[in-house]
Amino acid sequence: GAVVSQHPSRVICKSGTSVKIECRSLDFQATTMFWYRQFPKQSLMLMATSNEGSKATYEQGVEKDKFLINHASLTLSTLTVTSAHPEDSSFYICSATRQDYGYTFGSGTRLTVV
Amino acid sequence: EDQVTQSPEALRLQEGESSSLNCSYTVSGLRGLFWYRQDPGKGPEFLFTLYSAGEEKEKERLKATLTKKESFLHITAPKPEDSATYLCAVSGGYQKVTFGIGTKLQVIP
Repeated sequence: GAVVSQHPSRVICKSGTSVKIECRSLDFQATTMFWYRQFPKQSLMLMATSNEGSKATYEQGVEKDKFLINHASLTLSTLTVTSAHPEDSSFYICSATRQDYGYTFGSGTRLTVV
Repeated sequence: EDQVTQSPEALRLQEGESSSLNCSYTVSGLRGLFWYRQDPGKGPEFLFTLYSAGEEKEKERLKATLTKKESFLHITAPKPEDSATYLCAVSGGYQKVTFGIGTKLQVIP
């Protein structure tokens, strides 16, 4: 089956620093990867969609200069939260898909900005 | 804009007490309706994909059904290990997936 690995699972950083989250498809090549954010008792909210080798498409209200997405290969996408603030504390989840496949999710990253 | 509404928000069942979770949706050109299970602090775990009205899928104690406006996740004789949040999502055009807020299920021994 399709497996997506996401690292780290938990990270605590100081306000003003940057944090990088990795999302890897382990046994398939993902044509598209997605990044979501989930606040407590709320639904997963799509932040951006990325295709390998092209710029990510951000959802309305998501700052592209704050949430940098790099999709360097068909198996790796990274999300960098730049100049993190406490309000960026959340649960970030990636998912990956390929043609005719469903969406496979990573295990998520709990980011806490102090 | 695609929308997904799940009900109830929370459900508490006795072990063995069967019930159903509802997912109502509006989408432009349904490509797929998905059910996921999410445990606290974890990413969603795939359960089912349904593509067209009338389709049904089963997995152990779970059965998902689909109509043109809603989907049901039926849980038969649930066990405590079925306790989780169950998420419904739809995919319309442009590969965008829209999630509901989920139903938090608690099964009491």
